[in-house]
Amino acid sequence: DTGVSQDPRHKITKRGQNVTFRCDPISEHNRLYWYRQTLGQGPEFLTYFQNEAQLEKSRLLSDRFSAERPKGSFSTLEIQRTEQGDSAMYLCASSPSTSGSFTDTQYFGPGTRLTVL
Amino acid sequence: AQSVAQPEDQVNVAEGNPLTVKCTYSVSGNPYLFWYVQYPNRGLQFLLKYITGDNLVKGSYGFEAEFNKSQTSFHLKKPSALVSDSALYFCAVRVLGGATNKLIFGTGTLLAVQP
Repeated sequence: DTGVSQDPRHKITKRGQNVTFRCDPISEHNRLYWYRQTLGQGPEFLTYFQNEAQLEKSRLLSDRFSAERPKGSFSTLEIQRTEQGDSAMYLCASSPSTSGSFTDTQYFGPGTRLTVL
Repeated sequence: AQSVAQPEDQVNVAEGNPLTVKCTYSVSGNPYLFWYVQYPNRGLQFLLKYITGDNLVKGSYGFEAEFNKSQTSFHLKKPSALVSDSALYFCAVRVLGGATNKLIFGTGTLLAVQP
């Protein structure tokens, strides 16, 4: 059973450039989440998908951020016009859906560390 | 607003001694509580969760947590610490309501186990 995978693991970019990250959830997990973690802090929620539907977006997700999950499998997170404040670890998680229950466990990928110069 | 607090930035314990990592929560309604562990440059690994039922929850790697409703706490414990337990530990609460399905994390507690 493979876990959640994320690509790339590290990304260094210059301010103003666009970046895109990919997340592949555990197969058959229909819920997918993106979180952001900065140094010394716990992860902060960004957005949540159930299948291909994006059901919730955090206020942290400015209009420079966009996430998609077009076929209900993998997801991408794009940041346009990156800023130094975007430097963080971006974590993806997935969970199964059990009859609408919200007691399912979220399993996290290894994360993508973004450095904006 | 729902939240969790981890009052200790760091916990130091000698190998073989019992360890406790503290977590308190504030929620409206029934709490769904989780513990995760993070090793350097890695994602979060699930340890255990409390949904309902027995107040003592057993999880991975010999960890357990005690849910205390009156003290609104969910402390992580292990009877005998290992050096390999040294890592960053996060407590989290599930936020419920409408379409939301997110976890709110504490700021983390660094556990250092000395040989």
